[in-house]
Amino acid sequence: AQSVTQPDARVTVSEGASLQLRCKYSYSATPYLFWYVQYPRQGLQLLLKYYSGDPVVQGVNSFEAEFSKSNSSFHLQKASVHWSDSAVYFCALSMITNAYKVIFGKGTHLHVLP
Amino acid sequence: ETAVFQTPNYHVTQVGNEVSFNCKQTLGHDTMYWYKQDSKKLLKIMFSYNNKQLIVNETVPRRFSPQSSDKAHLNLRIKSVEPEDSAVYLCASSHSYTEVFFGKGTRLTVV
Repeated sequence: AQSVTQPDARVTVSEGASLQLRCKYSYSATPYLFWYVQYPRQGLQLLLKYYSGDPVVQGVNSFEAEFSKSNSSFHLQKASVHWSDSAVYFCALSMITNAYKVIFGKGTHLHVLP
Repeated sequence: ETAVFQTPNYHVTQVGNEVSFNCKQTLGHDTMYWYKQDSKKLLKIMFSYNNKQLIVNETVPRRFSPQSSDKAHLNLRIKSVEPEDSAVYLCASSHSYTEVFFGKGTRLTVV
């Protein structure tokens, strides 16, 4: 069955440190992959997306992600985090075989220490 | 402004009451969704509509019913709410296969 796994429920880093949030997916066909961020009392906002082509995609606010078909992964990275990056981050999978059911991971709560 | 708009932002009600949530998108998308987000931030899809047609109907209690008048509107009605219905309900829209845009959510508290 198709799934998205975010193995880290919580991540704490210091401001200025680098960041990697992990995402693994399970899907046999070509995946469409996304990272979203949710700030308190807000809906989800798109950070970046991958459909095809260059496996490294750039997003808003200096976030980037790398798609790896061999590892079934789509990890999110940032070179230097800011306290305002504290939020919940979701990895999501859209499937060409079922366009109307976007699957979300359980989310990773990021806490940036000032 | 183009976005997904939800009303109300918050709703507090008693067990057994009926509630309705409204959602409108001005993005010109053909697909709309309702997601339920629990207190641990877990997101679960409830329904999706494509051009007013119900496409996905996950295992949700029958007291939940979506209502779509056109492809820009997708409302959610809950008959006889129960305590476990307390959650944030997120409406979203997209073109098929593409990224999903979310509203800010409706927070339901059942007392």
